[in-house]
Amino acid sequence: DAGVTQSPTHLIKTRGQQVTLRCSPKSGHDTVSWYQQALGQGPQFIFQYYEEEERQRGNFPDRFSGHQFPNYSSELNVNALLLGDSALYLCASSLMGADTGELFFGEGSRLTVL
Amino acid sequence: AQSVAQPEDQVNVAEGNPLTVKCTYSVSGNPYLFWYVQYPNRGLQFLLKYITGDNLVKGSYGFEAEFNKSQTSFHLKKPSALVSDSALYFCAVRDIKGFQKLVFGTGTRLLVSP
Repeated sequence: DAGVTQSPTHLIKTRGQQVTLRCSPKSGHDTVSWYQQALGQGPQFIFQYYEEEERQRGNFPDRFSGHQFPNYSSELNVNALLLGDSALYLCASSLMGADTGELFFGEGSRLTVL
Repeated sequence: AQSVAQPEDQVNVAEGNPLTVKCTYSVSGNPYLFWYVQYPNRGLQFLLKYITGDNLVKGSYGFEAEFNKSQTSFHLKKPSALVSDSALYFCAVRDIKGFQKLVFGTGTRLLVSP
């Protein structure tokens, strides 16, 4: 049973560029959430996707956008990258009907913005 | 707004000794509380959760947590620490709007010395 997989694992971009991160949820899960974890901080909620729609959003600017596909996989897009966007981006999957809050995390995509 | 606080940046304990990692919470309504662990350059792994029921919750790898409503605390404990327990531990609470959004603390680094 494959867990949550994310790609790429590491990437380096320069300011102003755009980046796309990808996530495949754990088998059987239908909900994907994205978190940003800056160095030395706890994960911060970016947004959540269910049934191909953004269901909830944290305090992140519109430069951060996402998508969920019919197979439940998801993408996180960040436009006009800033130095402060450097972080570990974590994808978490869950089953909406379970409603217990238990999330299964991928190992993350580490983004460095130069 | 829901929040958790982890007052200790780091906890040091000798192998074989009991360990406690502290967490206090502030919520509206009934709390859904979680502990996650993060090993270096990895995603978060679920340890345990409290939703309702017994105040002592048992989780993975021999960890347990005690829910104390009067002190609004949810401390993580283990009777006998292992060197391999050294990692970053996060307390989290489910957002009031549900949908499986978690609000994380800033994390506590646990160092277990041989």
